[in-house]
Amino acid sequence: DTGVSQDPRHKITKRGQNVTFRCDPISEHNRLYWYRQTLGQGPEFLTYFQNEAQLEKSRLLSDRFSAERPKGSFSTLEIQRTEQGDSAMYLCASSAVGTTSYEQYFGPGTRLTVT
Amino acid sequence: LAKTTQPISMDSYEGQEVNITCSHNNIATNDYITWYQQFPSQGPRFIIQGYKTKVTNEVASLFIPADRKSSTLSLPRVSLSDTAVYYCLVGDWAGNFVFGPGTRLSVLP
Repeated sequence: DTGVSQDPRHKITKRGQNVTFRCDPISEHNRLYWYRQTLGQGPEFLTYFQNEAQLEKSRLLSDRFSAERPKGSFSTLEIQRTEQGDSAMYLCASSAVGTTSYEQYFGPGTRLTVT
Repeated sequence: LAKTTQPISMDSYEGQEVNITCSHNNIATNDYITWYQQFPSQGPRFIIQGYKTKVTNEVASLFIPADRKSSTLSLPRVSLSDTAVYYCLVGDWAGNFVFGPGTRLSVLP
């Protein structure tokens, strides 16, 4: 088991472009979470999947943000029409069946810079 | 959502015990208390979780009083490698949780 992986690790894009990030959770984990973290702040919860079902999405930052987990394995987070305020670290985490949501294993994150 | 309050920063010396307290006055019955550690440019790492009283694992202890309105993370005999940001997290299993502002711990030689 190699842990949670995220791709890419860094992304630089121009304002107005769309970006997509990928997260591969730990293989036996059925829960997957996305967070955003800005400098000096704690991670901000965005959305959560259990298997392929997106159980919480009201805290996605705007309708420009969307996430999918089509087969209950990897997940993607897409940001459309990026803005400079979207510059942040985007973190993915996963957790296993039978544990509470807090035993989450985080990936290394994708750092987004919007110019 | 329960809001948490932690000290912004703390300093300690190697070998000392460090206690970081988190206030969560509006904690709900179903909420658990969890602490995470984060190093620069890395994702947070789970440290410990509890509901009430005291929980201990190989790296830390968590003390929760009967009213559950606060909790204290205790790190025994810290080393330089414990320099990190520590987050207090309160919420239930359904994803209703918020990371606190974090406490930046600096361990000095």
